[in-house]
Amino acid sequence: AQTVTQSQPEMSVQEAETVTLSCTYDTSENNYYLFWYKQPPSRQMILVIRQEAYKQQNATENRFSVNFQKAAKSFSLKISDSQLGDTAMYFCAFRPQGGSEKLVFGKGMKLTVNP
Amino acid sequence: NAGVTQTPKFQVLKTGQSMTLQCAQDMNHEYMSWYRQDPGMGLRLIHYSVGAGITDQGEVPNGYNVSRSTTEDFPLRLLSAAPSQTSVYFCASSHQTVGEQYFGPGTRLTVT
Repeated sequence: AQTVTQSQPEMSVQEAETVTLSCTYDTSENNYYLFWYKQPPSRQMILVIRQEAYKQQNATENRFSVNFQKAAKSFSLKISDSQLGDTAMYFCAFRPQGGSEKLVFGKGMKLTVNP
Repeated sequence: NAGVTQTPKFQVLKTGQSMTLQCAQDMNHEYMSWYRQDPGMGLRLIHYSVGAGITDQGEVPNGYNVSRSTTEDFPLRLLSAAPSQTSVYFCASSHQTVGEQYFGPGTRLTVT
């Protein structure tokens, strides 16, 4: 069974600084997707970034980028130029490619951006 | 294009009552899922469906039923509510060939 681990339950960062959120996962699959979702106080789950395991290039979306290390089964999220609106719970998630749509989530990490 | 909608947003039930949480999507997605979110637990899969007429159990299915009579709708039924079912419930959908799931706004359910 796949598992996703987010070892840091909580972090804080100053506005405009850079922060990295860690995520590791365990799977025997070779093809899969990895995601970072953001959940602000509004409760809405928002996709931040996705990574296909077959792609060697790390995904980037504006201020958000990932460091995907397939051999180490590591998938960290870097947030550059942190903004107050980045304050949220962040969830790392895994989904095998093909087959069912089962998303496996980590337990989440609370990020606070301080002014 | 409304995306994924859920009703109600909030609900309070007494132990033993039944109810249905509604979920609908207008993106013609084949896959739909129900998750529950509890503090410190992340999101856990309750039931999912890969298409109309097909459903399967997830990680925590006990106490819940689902059906998928149309592509658009995927209701979640609580047969006899228990305090342990107090949670926030999310519905999600995705297209088969695209990895990410799109989530509804969630339903906060309290069972007393």
